[in-house]
Amino acid sequence: GAVVSQHPSRVICKSGTSVKIECRSLDFQATTMFWYRQFPKKSLMLMATSNEGSKATYEQGVEKDKFLINHASLTLSTLTVTSAHPEDSSFYICSALTGSGYGYTFGSGTRLTVV
Amino acid sequence: EDKVVQSPLSLVVHEGDTVTLNCSYEVTNFRSLLWYKQEKKAPTFLFMLTSSGIEKKSGRLSSILDKKELFSILNITATQTGDSAIYLCAVEDSNDYKLSFGAGTTVTVRA
Repeated sequence: GAVVSQHPSRVICKSGTSVKIECRSLDFQATTMFWYRQFPKKSLMLMATSNEGSKATYEQGVEKDKFLINHASLTLSTLTVTSAHPEDSSFYICSALTGSGYGYTFGSGTRLTVV
Repeated sequence: EDKVVQSPLSLVVHEGDTVTLNCSYEVTNFRSLLWYKQEKKAPTFLFMLTSSGIEKKSGRLSSILDKKELFSILNITATQTGDSAIYLCAVEDSNDYKLSFGAGTTVTVRA
């Protein structure tokens, strides 16, 4: 089945630094990827939709200058959390539309802790 | 704005019990409803439902959609401790393929 590889799985960074999270579709081409954020014991909140070769579409309330999304190829989308602050600490997950009848495939998630 | 409501928010059962999880939704452009199981990491796919009244089954899990009443249920029979997880319901918008998730139901199965 379709696989999305997400890295890193866990990262700790200092306040003010930037962190890049990668999502790769391993055995299919993902023209569209979605980035979610999940707080403890809460559901997934869609942050943005990433389309290959074009600018990402951000959901209301999500700062596009803080959460930079790049989808430069059909198999790779990246989310960069810039100038991270402790309140950015969260679980970030990507997903890709597979078109295979399985709906969406999720990456394994990245646990970001900003200290 | 699309809205997905899951109930109950949490429940605790004993091994062998049957659980029924509910998901109601309001969405402008419905394409599908999906169920996911989330343990410690990312959600894993369970079912995608597009048509009313057709039950989908996978082992001890089954799900059905009612597009008239705008809800779906997920059943788990003969529960095992490995079924302990958060179960997420999401609806897919046909215009932009975005998923709107419910808050999830946390299921705890005790031995």
